[in-house]
Amino acid sequence: DIQLTQSPSTLSASVGDRVTITCRASQSISSWLAWYQQKPGKAPKLLIYKASSLESGVPSRFSGSGSGTEFTLTISSLQPDDFATYYCQQYHSDWTFGQGTKVEIK
Amino acid sequence: QVTLKESGPALVKPTQTLTLTCTFSGFSLSTTGMRVNWVRQPPGKALEWLARIDWDDDKLYRSSLRTRLTLSKDTSKNQVVLTMTNVDPADTATYYCARFLEGFDFWGQGALVTVSS
Repeated sequence: DIQLTQSPSTLSASVGDRVTITCRASQSISSWLAWYQQKPGKAPKLLIYKASSLESGVPSRFSGSGSGTEFTLTISSLQPDDFATYYCQQYHSDWTFGQGTKVEIK
Repeated sequence: QVTLKESGPALVKPTQTLTLTCTFSGFSLSTTGMRVNWVRQPPGKALEWLARIDWDDDKLYRSSLRTRLTLSKDTSKNQVVLTMTNVDPADTATYYCARFLEGFDFWGQGALVTVSS
């Protein structure tokens, strides 16, 4: 199975900060990667698909980049609503999720 | 308007079989490219993809659970059924069904299943 490793596991940041989360795949997944935001007690929400395509309705402060084995999710200016846990997910083969990155208030 | 909803028992005993149903609306599983998946999340832990069924009835299962999982669909009822045999307390989780086109774009609210004697 393809393993996805996210870093960091926890990130402390302030409103207005630029935030970057990394997701590394154990083998090449081309651009078959998505990013999700999850808040406590809620289902995840799709942010980015195909590594860099912004899902409809998602604010433009969210962006994704990368291909092959290394990917990043960037929030250009962190907003109060963005404090949540973020997951990457590959859909190249034997689909898997990363272990999550919790973005908390500094 | 796309919606999905999971239904099934809240409590299951170890070694029993768990059956979960995903009832959806607003799309057809007969449409080319459409996929319905099951994802679970143990309390306080990460998301775990379990299985998917495609518009052409192709199925894919998580390799570590392949012998315990079975998916079926009833296109006329807009339902997908997941069966998990020989459950264990480690299978305690919130189980989600989710539509996949380019990413999991619509999710159910989730169903908490507890495995305990």
